[in-house]
Amino acid sequence: GAGVSQSPSNKVTEKGKDVELRCDPISGHTALYWYRQSLGQGLEFLIYFQGNSAPDKSGLPSDRFSAERTGGSVSTLTIQRTQQEDSAVYLCASSSFIGTGTYGYTFGSGTRLTVV
Amino acid sequence: GDSVTQMEGPVTLSEEAFLTINCTYTATGYPSLFWYVQYPGEGLQLLLKATKADDKGSNKGFEATYRKETTSFHLEKGSVQVSDSAVYFCALSEGGNNRKLIWGLGTSLAVNP
Repeated sequence: GAGVSQSPSNKVTEKGKDVELRCDPISGHTALYWYRQSLGQGLEFLIYFQGNSAPDKSGLPSDRFSAERTGGSVSTLTIQRTQQEDSAVYLCASSSFIGTGTYGYTFGSGTRLTVV
Repeated sequence: GDSVTQMEGPVTLSEEAFLTINCTYTATGYPSLFWYVQYPGEGLQLLLKATKADDKGSNKGFEATYRKETTSFHLEKGSVQVSDSAVYFCALSEGGNNRKLIWGLGTSLAVNP
């Protein structure tokens, strides 16, 4: 597609429920990232996918968080047993990656998650 | 670990004023540096970038120079407009094959007519 698409744009869920957030990156972008933006905080790295390599999961805050990327395209971030501190805007970004070149990301508009 | 420090906001200026938003970083390698902008109600957008020391990134009248000696990447614009009101984020990209970004906390800019 023309841009990075995220869905839903807003999600309100009850504490303890599971949620799934979806990211559809720009076609042909091999790298995909998930970040979290909390009120008054900077962006927090969660997970990074690059082609067929094993993902970098070093930013996932707990084992309640997981993500997968199917067919090298669409990614789903899953949060199990949501807690109130999970409330944030979850941002997805994709980028092209060629050799050692450095490219800026293209971000989606984010999913605003509110856990009540 | 690597980190980015931005000046705290909010910054409030009158139209046509000169803008500087300070950004300094710590990094063990040779990172690339970025400024991103988030306009109200919109997603993050790349504003400009620099990939090596002394490079100057520029876009939409904004400039930033990669200064290795002072580990800085300050954002400047000579004459701001109301439409520049947004949140500005400084970020660095770690070296190697992992392109995850390390972010500053963001600086909110409000430009009054």
